Amino acid sequence: AAGVIQSPRHLIKEKRETATLKCYPIPRHDTVYWYQQGPGQDPQFLISFYEKMQSDKGSIPDRFSAQQFSDYHSELNMSSLELGDSALYFCASSVHSSGTEAFFGQGTRLTVV
Amino acid sequence: AQKITQTQPGMFVQEKEAVTLDCTYDTSDPSYGLFWYKQPSSGEMIFLIYQGSYDQQNATEGRYSLNFQKARKSANLVISASQLGDSAMYFCAMRERVGETSGSRLTFGEGTQLTVNP
Repeated sequence: AAGVIQSPRHLIKEKRETATLKCYPIPRHDTVYWYQQGPGQDPQFLISFYEKMQSDKGSIPDRFSAQQFSDYHSELNMSSLELGDSALYFCASSVHSSGTEAFFGQGTRLTVV
Repeated sequence: AQKITQTQPGMFVQEKEAVTLDCTYDTSDPSYGLFWYKQPSSGEMIFLIYQGSYDQQNATEGRYSLNFQKARKSANLVISASQLGDSAMYFCAMRERVGETSGSRLTFGEGTQLTVNP
C-alpha cells in the first residue's frame, strides 16, 4: 500500500541557508501535518492543512512557512536556518472524515552546520 | 499542563513475555482519539493502534492491544509475546478537536524506550 512519501530523506545545510522539504500524502488523504522532532524529544506539531487550507498552527517559527498544493502534496519552507533547526521533520497524512489513523512518512533528517 | 504522560522512560522485558506501556491523558473534549506509535532507531514513526473516546471495546491489532480506562484517563499499550524487533521507542499521542476545523493535531507523550532481552 502507498505510504506517505517525504523528500529528501537527509539534508545538510549551512546556517542562514534555506531548505524546502516535500511531502506526498497517501492517496485520498486530505489532511497533512508537519512535525519537528529534536534529538531525544517527542514530535512537536508545527502546522496542518486540510483541503489546501491551513487548519491548525503550532509552534512553527516565523522563519518557516508551508503550503498544500492542488495535488495535496505539501512543502515546508525553512529560511535563515539556525543550528537549533537540526531535527527530524515528519509529515503525516489522514482522512478528515475518519480521523482514526494518521500515517507518518519516514521523515527528513535536517542537519544545519 | 502536560496532556499526555508516559511515566516510564525505559522498560525491559524478556522475549516472549507480555509488557504494558503506560499512558495517561488529560482533556476536556468529549471526542478525542488515542494513538500509539513505534519509533525504531532508524527513525520512522510507525502507527500501531487507535482508540476512539466513544469506542466501547478496547482496540486490538495483532499482538498489540490497548487497555482503555476512560474514567481513569488511561490508555495503556499491551504488547503480547514480545519479540526482539519490538525494541524501540513507543509514543502515546492524543488527537483533540481544534474548534470546528479538521486536521486536529496530535499531541505526543515523551515516549517509553522498550528493550526486549533474549
